[in-house]
Amino acid sequence: EAGVTQSPTHLIKTRGQQVTLRCSPISGHTSVYWYQQALGLGLQFLLWYDEGEERNRGNFPPRFSGRQFPNYSSELNVNALELEDSALYLCASSLGRQGGETQYFGPGTRLLVL
Amino acid sequence: KQEVTQIPAALSVPEGENLVLNCSFTDSAIYNLQWFRQDPGKGLTSLLLIQSSQREQTSGRLNASLDKSSGRSTLYIAASQPGDSATYLCAVRASGSARQLTFGSGTQLTVLP
Repeated sequence: EAGVTQSPTHLIKTRGQQVTLRCSPISGHTSVYWYQQALGLGLQFLLWYDEGEERNRGNFPPRFSGRQFPNYSSELNVNALELEDSALYLCASSLGRQGGETQYFGPGTRLLVL
Repeated sequence: KQEVTQIPAALSVPEGENLVLNCSFTDSAIYNLQWFRQDPGKGLTSLLLIQSSQREQTSGRLNASLDKSSGRSTLYIAASQPGDSATYLCAVRASGSARQLTFGSGTQLTVLP
């Protein structure tokens, strides 16, 4: 069974640009979570999608947004990139509100903002 | 606001030792607690999940315990091996509708051959 996949694996952008990160959950999982792991700050929750709806968001500015598609894959969009957005962005999936609780993580997308 | 603390931040042990990693959380109203492993530059691998009603979970050489009332969890690794070298993270999910995890900062473990 394929795990959570993310693309691209690495990205280099400059300040002010926009970026889109993609995540495909494990087959059958309806919930997708996005986390940011910035150097020295640990893992911070960004967004949670379930059944195509945004269910919760962390303490991040509105330039961080996303969506979930009918096939439960998800995109994370970051507008007006800032230097401090440089981080490893991790996507996780789980069975959703009616199912199991374990969150399974993808390998991440490493974003560098210059 | 839930805060999760892991002690120690780093640990170096010789191969074969049994070791304990600690995790504490400030709000005991949790739904579950999950232990993860992260290799350098990689994503997270789920090791164990303990529901709030459980006291412990075991998988192979790993045993995780949970004392919700005192806000503590421990991860016990038996007979450590160099391949166990990684950063170990604990994360809690709060009770209620919010399903996101709150992570500790991790314990970086090095097992010396």
